[in-house]
Amino acid sequence: DIQMTQSPSSLSASVGDRVTITCRASQGIRNDLGWYQQKPGKAPKRLIYAASSLQSGVPSRFSGSGSGTEFTLTISSLQPEDFATYYCLQHNSYPRTFGQGTKLEIK
Amino acid sequence: QVQLVQSGAEVKKPGASVKVSCKVSGYTLTELSMHWVRQAPGKGLEWMGGFDPEDGETIYAQKFQGRVTMTEDTSTDTAYMELSSLRSEDTAVYYCATGPGTHWGQGTLVTVSS
Repeated sequence: DIQMTQSPSSLSASVGDRVTITCRASQGIRNDLGWYQQKPGKAPKRLIYAASSLQSGVPSRFSGSGSGTEFTLTISSLQPEDFATYYCLQHNSYPRTFGQGTKLEIK
Repeated sequence: QVQLVQSGAEVKKPGASVKVSCKVSGYTLTELSMHWVRQAPGKGLEWMGGFDPEDGETIYAQKFQGRVTMTEDTSTDTAYMELSSLRSEDTAVYYCATGPGTHWGQGTLVTVSS
């Protein structure tokens, strides 16, 4: 199974900050990775697909990069609605695996 | 636009089974690859299984092998996930999602309690 190691597990930041979240795959997954945002009591929402493509309707302050084993999600200027939990998901092979999640909190 | 609408919350006793449904609209089920993900209270997301269109088969996470069955009724565009031999650790919100996580249902809370 491919392990997805996500860091940090939690992050405190302020509105306007630039933040970066990282996922590392235990083996190469090309660019078969998505990033998801989840707010309490809601289903996850995909932000990024194919590692770096912005989902339609998602603000351009979100961006993704990486290929192979190292991936990052960057939020260029945090907005109040961005405080949530973020997950990566690899869909290169079965079983699909998620990162452990990053809880982004207001400082 | 794809919409996934799941069945309502369930309360089950240990040892029982639960069957959660996921109704598709906007597309037909045959055009989609349906997966199931669960989330225990306060925990992360866990992939349970899904349809692999390359092989035409449903693949289950090893953890759930023998206890989970995912089926589809193409006449009603509804997918189902049945989990048997329930235990307290199965208390979670269960989501259907189109592969690879493009669209999600609203989630179904399954509570296992005696």
